[in-house]
Amino acid sequence: SLELTQPPSVSVSPGQTARITCSGDALPNQYAYWYQQKPGQAPMVVIHGDGERPSGIPERFSGSSSGTTVTLTISGVQAEDEADYFCQSADNSGTYRFGGGTRLTVL
Amino acid sequence: QVQLVQSGAEVKRPGASVKLSCKASGYTFTNHPIHWVRQARGQRLEWMGWITAGSGDTKYSQNFQGRLTLTRDTSATTVYMDLRSLTSEDMAVYYCAREGYASGSYDYWGPGTLVTVSS
Repeated sequence: SLELTQPPSVSVSPGQTARITCSGDALPNQYAYWYQQKPGQAPMVVIHGDGERPSGIPERFSGSSSGTTVTLTISGVQAEDEADYFCQSADNSGTYRFGGGTRLTVL
Repeated sequence: QVQLVQSGAEVKRPGASVKLSCKASGYTFTNHPIHWVRQARGQRLEWMGWITAGSGDTKYSQNFQGRLTLTRDTSATTVYMDLRSLTSEDMAVYYCAREGYASGSYDYWGPGTLVTVSS
């Protein structure tokens, strides 16, 4: 099953570290990607491949994995990081799926 | 620069069909699959399917089997999404996105098209 589970919300104060998890049985064998979506905008990838960060994405964004869980870590959270974050993965047949999304609130 | 330009908002009756377009420019069209993703207001992103712009191969989410068809016109560098038998649950913003990374993720998105389904 490609079901991906995320916490609905995460809250942190500016300067702290935010960790957003995404769990799924198939994740150990697949890439996972992370997208940031701000209100009224299309999503934007912040982590892809093997924890790779696209050009233009700040270094404070990083991705890691352990077993069936992948984690997006935002170190030194800034107010501009407040957004919805979605994980995504694909199985070997080319079927993709998104997690339910996590609302990051910067207190 | 890479651009994905989507067609305008649509209002449809329940039971009708909608056909949206996504015109690509700024890159070699046939080199990258195009995916369609939708998002109902305040809800999660939902992957719908992809089409390889070169060969026209497709893959659909089981959630849309029988109702969704993706096609492409290579001369027009445009991908089309045709969704049939609309219900109120199909009311959403529909995005096209380019699969641009070797890992399979999306590097460019269209701005989205709002589809309203109402009687």
